[in-house]
Amino acid sequence: DIQMTQSPSSVSASVGDRVTITCRASQGISSYLAWYQQKPGKAPKLLIYAASSFQSGVTSRFSGSGSGTDFTLTISSLQPEDFATYYCQQANSFPLTFGGGTKVEIK
Amino acid sequence: EVQLVESGGGLVQPGGSLRLSCAASGFTFSSYAMTWVRQAPGKGLEWVSAISYSGGSIHYANSVKGRFTISRDNAKNTLYLQMNSLRAEDTALYFCAKDRQAGGYYYMDVWGKGTTVTVSS
Repeated sequence: DIQMTQSPSSVSASVGDRVTITCRASQGISSYLAWYQQKPGKAPKLLIYAASSFQSGVTSRFSGSGSGTDFTLTISSLQPEDFATYYCQQANSFPLTFGGGTKVEIK
Repeated sequence: EVQLVESGGGLVQPGGSLRLSCAASGFTFSSYAMTWVRQAPGKGLEWVSAISYSGGSIHYANSVKGRFTISRDNAKNTLYLQMNSLRAEDTALYFCAKDRQAGGYYYMDVWGKGTTVTVSS
């Protein structure tokens, strides 16, 4: 199974900050990676797919990059509505796997 | 409006069974792969199972293989998850989710609100 490791597990940031979350796969997954945002009590929301493609309707503050084993999600200028938990997910092979999550908290 | 609505969750004793359903509307259900994902209380997301648009390709997490069965009825626009031999560690909120694109790339773009399964004596 492919293990997905996210870092950091939590980050404290202020409105307007640039935030970067990383996700590392235990083996190469090409660009078969998605990023999701989840707020408390809500279902996850797809932000980025295929490592760097924007999901329709998602603000361009979010961007993704990477291929192979190392990926990043960047929030260019953190807004109040961006405080949430973020997950990466590999779609290269079954079983699909998620990272452990990164909680973005208010500083 | 594209919508997924899960049902069938509840309290069950260890060793018991439940069948979850996910009713889909607003899109051509028979064209998209579907997935179940669960989230234990206070924990992260865990992929459970996926099924291709036709039902011809099915996959399970190791943690549920042999106990859970995913299926779909394209005539009824409904996804199912039959859960047998339930354990305490299966306690979670279960989400169904739709593949973003016909063709089975397994990026999930529409999610239901989830149904809660509690396994306890």
